[in-house]
Amino acid sequence: DVKVTQSSRYLVKRTGEKVFLECVQDMDHENMFWYRQDPGLGLRLIYFSYDVKMKEKGDIPEGYSVSREKKERFSLILESASTNQTSMYLCASSPERGGNIQYFGAGTRLSVL
Amino acid sequence: KNEVEQSPQNLTAQEGEFITINCSYSVGISALHWLQQHPGGGIVSLFMLSSGKKKHGRLIATINIQEKHSSLHITASHPRDSAVYICAGHLYNTDKLIFGTGTRLQVFP
Repeated sequence: DVKVTQSSRYLVKRTGEKVFLECVQDMDHENMFWYRQDPGLGLRLIYFSYDVKMKEKGDIPEGYSVSREKKERFSLILESASTNQTSMYLCASSPERGGNIQYFGAGTRLSVL
Repeated sequence: KNEVEQSPQNLTAQEGEFITINCSYSVGISALHWLQQHPGGGIVSLFMLSSGKKKHGRLIATINIQEKHSSLHITASHPRDSAVYICAGHLYNTDKLIFGTGTRLQVFP
């Protein structure tokens, strides 16, 4: 079974803190994704990566950056957390490029106070 | 207007009922995904389909490309089917999904 592991289920941070959300997949997938999920808005893509050190902006990249130094790990960074970044963050991975099922982690519920 | 729209937003049913969730899309897609999210957050892929119909146990997904419409059916519903069901369109020539806002299903015994 594919496993996508997010480092924390719940996280509470203060405004202005630098926040790291980590995601690891164990199936040698090429693609990895970071989404945020908010009530009434559904999942929205923040960033994705199709290879080590490669990244592309999604629909809402402002206030976020990402890092993919190793194929299995994709990190989402909030450089200076703000209250409007309180949300559920979901990581996903998929094999190869083009039209594949995405496998999701359990999610990290982040609260920024 | 969202590019992927689901209806209804909320659905309650008695155990054993037949359930239908609808998804319409207005963008060009190569495939349509149906996902299930249980309380607590984890999302599981149920189906990916680009034409016709797929069945897995009590779940059936259909898609009509001409009408840009897909349905997810649950036969003989059970309380463990209670979850949020999300449809997502896979944009042509990309790795990107566009998501509907989900349908919250509650099945009561």
